[in-house]
Amino acid sequence: QSALTQPASVSGSPGQSITISCTGTSSDVGGYNYVSWYQQHPGKAPKLMIYDVSNRPSGVSNRFSGSKSGNTASLTISGLQAEDEADYYCSSYTSSSSWVFGGGTKLTVL
Amino acid sequence: EVQLVQSGAEVKKPGESLKISCKGSGYSFTSYWIGWVRQMPGKGLEWMGIIYPGDSDTRYSPSFQGQVTISADKSISTAYLQWSSLKASDTAMYYCARVSGYAIDAFDIWGQGTMVTVSS
Repeated sequence: QSALTQPASVSGSPGQSITISCTGTSSDVGGYNYVSWYQQHPGKAPKLMIYDVSNRPSGVSNRFSGSKSGNTASLTISGLQAEDEADYYCSSYTSSSSWVFGGGTKLTVL
Repeated sequence: EVQLVQSGAEVKKPGESLKISCKGSGYSFTSYWIGWVRQMPGKGLEWMGIIYPGDSDTRYSPSFQGQVTISADKSISTAYLQWSSLKASDTAMYYCARVSGYAIDAFDIWGQGTMVTVSS
């Protein structure tokens, strides 16, 4: 199972919006609406931000949103804040009844 | 409070065995899948495998099949990840995480991580 493909880094200024892509195959991202996104600050455990492509868990800011088109899912963060600077990982359930993560994207808030 | 608490950091030599733990509390441990995730130093997350403590149904990523063993003791609400013969390349942070009850793709509760260092 190959890792999902994410850009290594993205950046944006406070108040701007950014989008992180996550590309898989028809056996994972494209085949199911089971894509989730995680935020990880340095030295911390990951935190669930989006599940089922576009749903937010309770307590997650509505500045975070998710979508999917074909084999590519996307995470959009609007109104960037300094605290959003972190690593972001996508994940998908797969046709092998397993899970796969993306390689991760480092978000820098300029 | 729903939480997963992992065992402490380990320093081992190549060839040694190791078993790390992940104890759940605040919820019905037997009703939720628990997964294990590796993060090598400076690298991304890798899904290793998962277990359903209710019946010990276990699945492994092909990358980790045969390299580790995942188990659980439901009587003490604890999941385990073990190695029979560690390698230097096993040096990493290992996280356990619970699959939520509302979405199969949502790992909603994470342990604090266990750092495993393998060095001669």
